[in-house]
Amino acid sequence: QSALTQPPSASGSPGQSVTISCTGTSSDVGGYNYVSWYQQHTGKAPKLIIYEVSKRPSGVPDRFSGSKSGNTASLTISGLQAEDEADYYCSSYAGSNNFVFGIGTKVTVL
Amino acid sequence: QLRLQESGPGLVKPSETLSLICTVSGGSISSSSYFWGWIRQPPGKGLEWIGSIYYSGSTYYSPSLKSRVTISVDTSKNQFSLQLSSVTAADTAVFYCARHGPYIVAPFDIWGQGTLVTVSS
Repeated sequence: QSALTQPPSASGSPGQSVTISCTGTSSDVGGYNYVSWYQQHTGKAPKLIIYEVSKRPSGVPDRFSGSKSGNTASLTISGLQAEDEADYYCSSYAGSNNFVFGIGTKVTVL
Repeated sequence: QLRLQESGPGLVKPSETLSLICTVSGGSISSSSYFWGWIRQPPGKGLEWIGSIYYSGSTYYSPSLKSRVTISVDTSKNQFSLQLSSVTAADTAVFYCARHGPYIVAPFDIWGQGTLVTVSS
């Protein structure tokens, strides 16, 4: 299975919105509503911020939102803040008890 | 609060077997129906799922690594472990252990801090 495709970088000014795409196939993203997003600050472990396409774990701000259309999932960060500068990875269940991650997107707050 | 901590050698020679342990604290590894997984991240690169084990011992491996991976659980020690055989420099990575569940498709919600393993002679 191949890694999910993400843009290498995205940026925005404080208060703006940024959207990151995550493109897979009908065997992973398109086939299941089990897409997750993780935030990773430099030198730290990933943190779950979105699961099952659009659900937020307790404690994750509501300015993080997720959606999916066909084989592409998206993460939107609204009201961008300095602490949102990090790497973001999508992940999808890929059937047969397998998981696949995206290649990652570096978000820069200008 | 549940915590996961990876441990093991930071340096492994090519062709040898990489062995890591994840110790779970703040809860029992077998008290609830969760899966325990390993994910790796080569320096400067993305995440890759290696495999997971159910508390009962059932294992699930990435197809690309299946021939070299063994994951096991020791409920008496509240630990689970990873063995990756015949390593090469391409296996150099930060290795994370993480929990997911209570169903296999669930996301990884609790992660260890990660441990860097370098493959070099």
